[in-house]
Amino acid sequence: GQSLEQPSEVTAVEGAIVQINCTYQTSGFYGLSWYQQHDGGAPTFLSYNALDGLEETGRFSSFLSRSDSYGYLLLQELQMKDSASYFCAVPTTDKLIFGTGTRLQVFP
Amino acid sequence: DTAVSQTPKYLVTQMGNDKSIKCEQNLGHDTMYWYKQDSKKFLKIMFSYNNKELIINETVPNRFSPKSPDKAHLNLHINSLELGDSAVYFCASSPGLAYNEQFFGPGTRLTVL
Repeated sequence: GQSLEQPSEVTAVEGAIVQINCTYQTSGFYGLSWYQQHDGGAPTFLSYNALDGLEETGRFSSFLSRSDSYGYLLLQELQMKDSASYFCAVPTTDKLIFGTGTRLQVFP
Repeated sequence: DTAVSQTPKYLVTQMGNDKSIKCEQNLGHDTMYWYKQDSKKFLKIMFSYNNKELIINETVPNRFSPKSPDKAHLNLHINSLELGDSAVYFCASSPGLAYNEQFFGPGTRLTVL
């Protein structure tokens, strides 16, 4: 089967750095995406890693290690508005498979 | 301006009723999807359509019937609603199949009483 595991919850304070991990088991692998979803809102695309290494987009960075079947989302200079659920996702030939989701709570 | 829109945003109904959710995208995408998000926030694909053709039906009960009149619209009809159907249903679209970026609608929160 195909699965993507994430920690269920992470907490941090404003200004801190937090890392959200994702380990995956998939048959066929093209890359790893990350989505953000605020309570009551829709998932929105954050980033995609097709190759190993770190991709930086502003305060958010995403990392992939294909040999370890592992990736993470790094959020820096945390702000209250970053409180949300974060999902890793793997595209297959005909769909996206989403991870179990990580709820990030940022405290003042 | 809205890229992917869904109606209604909220739906409260009794068990056994039939209801529909509509979805439209103005992004010119070829592929549209329906997802179900349960109370634990797990996002699961239900259906996908590519150019009006059904591509994926992820072992969804046949009480759920999607319809795509054109590639900009994908509707979801649910017959004989059950308590377990209560969830948030998201429509999404992407330029084609196997795209890493999908664009989601605002969701429809369905509550079955």
